[in-house]
Amino acid sequence: QKEVEQDPGPLSVPEGAIVSLNCTYSNSAFQYFMWYRQYSRKGPELLMYTYSSGNKEDGRFTAQVDKSSKYISLFIRDSQPSDSATYLCAMTRDTGFQKLVFGTGTRLLVSP
Amino acid sequence: GAGVSQTPSNKVTEKGKYVELRCDPISGHTALYWYRQSLGQGPEFLIYFQGTGAADDSGLPNDRFFAVRPEGSVSTLKIQRTERGDSAVYLCASSLGTSGSQGEQFFGPGTRLTVL
Repeated sequence: QKEVEQDPGPLSVPEGAIVSLNCTYSNSAFQYFMWYRQYSRKGPELLMYTYSSGNKEDGRFTAQVDKSSKYISLFIRDSQPSDSATYLCAMTRDTGFQKLVFGTGTRLLVSP
Repeated sequence: GAGVSQTPSNKVTEKGKYVELRCDPISGHTALYWYRQSLGQGPEFLIYFQGTGAADDSGLPNDRFFAVRPEGSVSTLKIQRTERGDSAVYLCASSLGTSGSQGEQFFGPGTRLTVL
């Protein structure tokens, strides 16, 4: 069993929809949680990071961490076709995100 | 300023050959990381450098894989006796430091390695 589980999708939504992306994990030592966006043939780009449990909001993006359930989420409001990409969750036990453990990524398709 | 650059962008080689993949980190970034991303998977950690030294090489799959960073800037990932299972995108990332927000990793576009 992988340390981090993520549904690969694809997840198809119409423009303007609220998108919910999720990951579960098994290692209770993970303290830092991140969401990356990866466009085709590009490297991952950091969207959000949170420390321990709680919520964090940045524009149309909200990240939630529930350490008691070992479950993290990324919500995208008012989704746009430009949001179409693969979204990777990542986590680490260390400060400074040194050794990241990634999920498989969820492919999101937002249709106009 | 320039981001992380990786060369070549694509590399096709034959089984058993030796390959070198190069990473140029963002100027001033002290930490450098290598990951491998297979098709349909997330990146898997290979090795992390702090300065010139490998601080954590626990992700290197076997002794065919080796990485160096002799002057604390450019890094080279070396793969000996390549196997078809080595085919993947090799991603490099760098960060300003290793604590707090300075630890944010900026990724390059990757080198797509195909072993025939």
